[in-house]
Amino acid sequence: AQKITQTQPGMFVQEKEAVTLDCTYDTSDPSYGLFWYKQPSSGEMIFLIYQGSYDQQNATEGRYSLNFQKARKSANLVISASQLGDSAMYFCAMREGGNNNDMRFGAGTRLTVKP
Amino acid sequence: DVKVTQSSRYLVKRTGEKVFLECVQDMDHENMFWYRQDPGLGLRLIYFSYDVKMKEKGDIPEGYSVSREKKERFSLILESASTNQTSMYLCASSSRLAGATGELFFGEGSRLTVL
Repeated sequence: AQKITQTQPGMFVQEKEAVTLDCTYDTSDPSYGLFWYKQPSSGEMIFLIYQGSYDQQNATEGRYSLNFQKARKSANLVISASQLGDSAMYFCAMREGGNNNDMRFGAGTRLTVKP
Repeated sequence: DVKVTQSSRYLVKRTGEKVFLECVQDMDHENMFWYRQDPGLGLRLIYFSYDVKMKEKGDIPEGYSVSREKKERFSLILESASTNQTSMYLCASSSRLAGATGELFFGEGSRLTVL
């Protein structure tokens, strides 16, 4: 069974600095997708970034980048130039390629950006 | 604008009551999901459905059932609510065509309190 681990319950970062949110995963399927979602205090889940297991390059979306280390089974989210609006819960998730229907999530990391 | 709509943002029910949580999506997605979100546990998959009248158990199906009579609608049913089912419930959908790369689109959540 697939498993997602986020070891940082909470993180603090100074505004305008970069921060890395950790995510490790476990799967025996060679084909899988990794996702990061943001959940602000309002509660909606916002898709941020996707990385496929066969992608050669790390995914980037604006200030978000995914540090994908396949051998270590890690998919850390890097947020550059943090903004106050980045304060939220962040969830790492994985979907296995052999079963494209379900997605599993980690426990989440609460990021607080300090002014 | 694509949309997943959950019928109630907040519900308060009594122990033993039957509870229906409704979810409707307008994106013609094949896959629909129900998650439960609790602090420190992240999102846990209760049930998902990949087609009308089809359902698959997730990680925590006990105490829940689901119904998918129409493609756009996926209902979560608590046959006899208990206090340990007090939680935030999130519905999501995704396109089967997107396969493992497909992101989930989430509703705004339903916060259920069982007294």
